Amino acid sequence: GAVVSQHPSRVICKSGTSVKIECRSLDFQATTMFWYRQFPKQSLMLMATSNEGSKATYEQGVEKDKFLINHASLTLSTLTVTSAHPEDSSFYICSASREEYRGRDQPQHFGDGTRLSIL
Amino acid sequence: EDKVVQSPLSLVVHEGDTVTLNCSYEVTNFRSLLWYKQEKKAPTFLFMLTSSGIEKKSGRLSSILDKKELSSILNITATQTGDSAIYLCAVGTLSNTGTASKLTFGTGTRLQVTL
Repeated sequence: GAVVSQHPSRVICKSGTSVKIECRSLDFQATTMFWYRQFPKQSLMLMATSNEGSKATYEQGVEKDKFLINHASLTLSTLTVTSAHPEDSSFYICSASREEYRGRDQPQHFGDGTRLSIL
Repeated sequence: EDKVVQSPLSLVVHEGDTVTLNCSYEVTNFRSLLWYKQEKKAPTFLFMLTSSGIEKKSGRLSSILDKKELSSILNITATQTGDSAIYLCAVGTLSNTGTASKLTFGTGTRLQVTL
């Protein structure tokens, strides 16, 4: 099955620090990856769609300058939370799917997530 | 705005019981409906449904989509304590880039299976 690796799994840092999270598709190429945020006892909320070789597409209400996304290769996307503050503390999860096959969607597979705590 | 609603929000059953989880949706440009199981970390994929009326089955789990009713159910038979988790329903719609679908998630159903 498709494997998505996310690193680090947990980050604790001081307010004002920038934090980079990596998402890798290990056994397939992913033109598109997705970044989600999940607050306690809430569902996953899509933050942005990461496209290899082009700019990310952000959902309404998500600050582009705050959450920088880079998708430099077909197997790696990174999310950088810049100048993080306590309200940015959350569980961040990436996902990726194989390319469409015969015009059909492929399911998204998720990384294990990164728990970010800003003090 | 795309919307996915799951019910019940939580459920406690005894081992061996059968459960049915519900998901309904209102979205634009529907492409697929997916079920995921989330324990402590990230969601793990269970089913992807695109066609109405065709049941997908994996062991004790099965799911079916009804596009007319804009809904889906996830059935778990002979439940075990290891089935305790949050079950998430997500609907895939055409993304802004026109390539892979973006997912809108429901709030999930928290299932607890007791001995």
